[in-house]
Amino acid sequence: KAGVTQTPRYLIKTRGQQVTLSCSPISGHRSVSWYQQTPGQGLQFLFEYFSETQRNKGNFPGRFSGRQFSNSRSEMNVSTLELGDSALYLCASSSSGFTDTQYFGPGTRLTVL
Amino acid sequence: QKEVEQNSGPLSVPEGAIASLNCTYSDRGSQSFFWYRQYSGKSPELIMSIYSNGDKEDGRFTAQLNKASQYVSLLIRDSQPSDSATYLCAVIVNYGQNFVFGPGTRLSVLP
Repeated sequence: KAGVTQTPRYLIKTRGQQVTLSCSPISGHRSVSWYQQTPGQGLQFLFEYFSETQRNKGNFPGRFSGRQFSNSRSEMNVSTLELGDSALYLCASSSSGFTDTQYFGPGTRLTVL
Repeated sequence: QKEVEQNSGPLSVPEGAIASLNCTYSDRGSQSFFWYRQYSGKSPELIMSIYSNGDKEDGRFTAQLNKASQYVSLLIRDSQPSDSATYLCAVIVNYGQNFVFGPGTRLSVLP
């Protein structure tokens, strides 16, 4: 069974730009969650999508948004990038949500200059 | 007070010893608790989940939960150098709406 894939793996952007990251979950998984990992703040939950609906949301500003498609693939978008958005963005998929095993993808390393 | 707290370490133990990792959480309503392992440069992977008070064993790993004390721990028996990693405690909080990770404890198992 193929694992969670994320594209692109690395991204360099400048302040003020926007970026879209993609996540393909494990086949059959309907829940996709996104996390931001930084050395200072650790691993923080952004949002969870299930069956194309945002089901849960962490404490991030509205510049961070996402969506999920009918095939469960998910994208997250960050608008008006700030230097502090530089981080590793991880997505995780599971069968039905938080209480199931979440399988993490390799992450997208975003650098904002 | 942070929602999930862990000693940042590093925790160093000799090979073959028991490593003890601790975690406290603030949301009294939390019912689901997880331990993840993250090797340097890799993504987190789930080691164990625990939902009821007491101990849960899986191979060399034992998770312990005490909801009254809002405390979760992970014991690693017969520690191996390959266990050297950062261990993340995670808790579902806020009536299931948020998945919160602790800062992680870096474990180093010395040969």
